[in-house]
Amino acid sequence: EAGVAQSPRYKIIEKRQSVAFWCNPISGHATLYWYQQILGQGPKLLIQFQNNGVVDDSQLPKDRFSAERLKGVDSTLKIQPAKLEDSAVYLCASSTGTGGPSGEVNEQFFGPGTRLTVL
Amino acid sequence: GEDVEQSLFLSVREGDSSVINCTYTDSSSTYLYWYKQEPGAGLQLLTYIFSNMDMKQDQRLTVLLNKKDKHLSLRIADTQTGDSAIYFCAENKGYSTLTFGKGTMLLVSP
Repeated sequence: EAGVAQSPRYKIIEKRQSVAFWCNPISGHATLYWYQQILGQGPKLLIQFQNNGVVDDSQLPKDRFSAERLKGVDSTLKIQPAKLEDSAVYLCASSTGTGGPSGEVNEQFFGPGTRLTVL
Repeated sequence: GEDVEQSLFLSVREGDSSVINCTYTDSSSTYLYWYKQEPGAGLQLLTYIFSNMDMKQDQRLTVLLNKKDKHLSLRIADTQTGDSAIYFCAENKGYSTLTFGKGTMLLVSP
């Protein structure tokens, strides 16, 4: 089974430029997540999709970050304009479901990430 | 506190046991997870424990849960150099949102 694919793996840009990341989840996974992992910290959820709808984007800085999952499969995350503090690894993950109100196990499968450096 | 807390670094010798500790925040968390991250790679789910359990064993891994103290630990028996990685504790709040700790770097020396 193919894993979660992400591209590019590395990106270096100057502040105020724009950048986009792409993610292709595991086939059949309805739920897709974007996380930001700053060096020395754990991943922080930016946005969660269920099919092509947004479930949670409460921690997404909407003045500069946007994400879409138009056909309910792959997704793009965009930053415009980038700031120095956006330097991080952006991780995409997918799972079969949302876990549900009774809290069924929701195993998330992670891609290798995109390392963004903003100069 | 509001953060999932973990010690930042642990160094052990090959063949010893490793114990990584975590304090989580939400007593209503349903599942608690341990993820492993190797250099340049994404996170991989190692194991998880349901909140009504106090122990789970899976081959070399033993998870202990103390709900009263909101304390979670991961024990790795017979630690190998391939176990060197960063280990993240995570809890779920709500339907599926995961909150991660900052990670514990485990260094295993021969």
